[in-house]
Amino acid sequence: QQQVKQSPQSLIVQKGGISIINCAYENTAFDYFPWYQQFPGKGPALLIAIRPDVSEKKEGRFTISFNKSAKQFSLHIMDSQPGDSATYFCAASSMDSSYKLIFGSGTRLLVRP
Amino acid sequence: DTGVSQDPRHKITKRGQNVTFRCDPISEHNRLYWYRQTLGQGPEFLTYFQNEAQLEKSRLLSDRFSAERPKGSFSTLEIQRTEQGDSAMYLCASNPLASNTEAFFGQGTRLTVV
Repeated sequence: QQQVKQSPQSLIVQKGGISIINCAYENTAFDYFPWYQQFPGKGPALLIAIRPDVSEKKEGRFTISFNKSAKQFSLHIMDSQPGDSATYFCAASSMDSSYKLIFGSGTRLLVRP
Repeated sequence: DTGVSQDPRHKITKRGQNVTFRCDPISEHNRLYWYRQTLGQGPEFLTYFQNEAQLEKSRLLSDRFSAERPKGSFSTLEIQRTEQGDSAMYLCASNPLASNTEAFFGQGTRLTVV
């Protein structure tokens, strides 16, 4: 019930295109859903996060869509750039589990010039 | 640099040896977490400190692993009698107690057991 499932495992997008990564969760106690970006040899860095009381959050080219009833959320990267090439992780946490992050398995994104 | 600092960045050790990693969280961040990340996978939770108290440990944290956070500041993670399966990136993260805000991650310590 703690698992967060992420797809696809890898994604190739042309420069300027839209990258979409999907995640699903089971634990309805989760109340915080962040997306992290990780470059090789670096620690994860927060991109954007959402709470279940809103269905969408946008920050620049990054948008989270959240569907509470389906227990799914997704990351959309608009106008994808080669510099966006990285591994993206969705995660979830809850107050009753000390806010420890449960991560998805990651999506390796390659944006072709 | 006021971010989360981890030391060393890389560690190569022989099987059976003990290793210790250090994490310096962002100043005044009460919460400190250790995660382990293997190649191609997402980070997995190991343990959590609130100030100096270790409040949760994952079942991934075998009895060969021990973590401390004396005085609620820096933290250490020790692995005794290392095994090849311990090879991974060990990540530290911190955030303030006040709210469920961004967890700031360090650069990690890459452990290779040969």
